[in-house]
Amino acid sequence: LAKTTQPISMDSYEGQEVNITCSHNNIATNDYITWYQQFPSQGPRFIIQGYKTKVTNEVASLFIPADRKSSTLSLPRVSLSDTAVYYCLVGGESGSARQLTFGSGTQLTVLP
Amino acid sequence: DTGVSQDPRHKITKRGQNVTFRCDPISEHNRLYWYRQTLGQGPEFLTYFQNEAQLEKSRLLSDRFSAERPKGSFSTLEIQRTEQGDSAMYLCASSPRGGAEEETQYFGPGTRLLVL
Repeated sequence: LAKTTQPISMDSYEGQEVNITCSHNNIATNDYITWYQQFPSQGPRFIIQGYKTKVTNEVASLFIPADRKSSTLSLPRVSLSDTAVYYCLVGGESGSARQLTFGSGTQLTVLP
Repeated sequence: DTGVSQDPRHKITKRGQNVTFRCDPISEHNRLYWYRQTLGQGPEFLTYFQNEAQLEKSRLLSDRFSAERPKGSFSTLEIQRTEQGDSAMYLCASSPRGGAEEETQYFGPGTRLLVL
C-alpha cells in the first residue's frame, strides 16, 4: 500500500483558497487518489477522488501531475466550517480487499 | 437518512467487560469495513466483509475481537474482556462493489468506546 506524506497542519483565513499537497512516491499504476475530511467526533467524509490530471466537484478540485507522485487538494474560498482534518489516501484492489490506509492527516484551521 | 449508521454512539464500560457494536451499511452496499481511530491518529483498518464473508483481518484485530455479518447486511463487532487500550472510536464504512471509482468508502458516525 502506497504511503502518503502531507503537512501536519495549515492555517488559513476565511475567503482564501487553500491548497494541501500530498506526496505518494510509490503510487501503483492502478491506484486512485482519494481525499477525506473529518470533523471531531465524526467519521471521515469523502471529498474527491481522481486518477490523473484534474478533477473538480462542487466542493473541491484535485490536481494530479503526470507522474502522479503527488496531488494537491484545492479548497476555494474556505470558511470557518472547513476547519477539519484532511486525509490523502492512495489505493486500489489489494487481493480481495481494499484497505484504506490513513496517515495522520493535515489539520486545517480557518481563522476569521 | 440513508447513510451508514452505528449504534451505540457512545459506550462506557469497565475493564474486563464485553461490548458489542452494530453497524448498518448503506443499503445494497456489498462491502463493509471496520476501522479503529485513536486520538490524533487517522483510522486504522481492522477487518472487511464482502457480503457475509469476512475476507481480511488486520493484525490489530486480536483474539478478543470478533466481527460478524451474518446476512450480508448489518455487522457487529464484539470486544471481549475489554482493556483500557481498547478505548477508541470504532468506525464502520461501506462501499458498493464495482470499478475503482466506486470504491469510495462511506463512513458512519462511529462508536466512541471508553474503558475504565
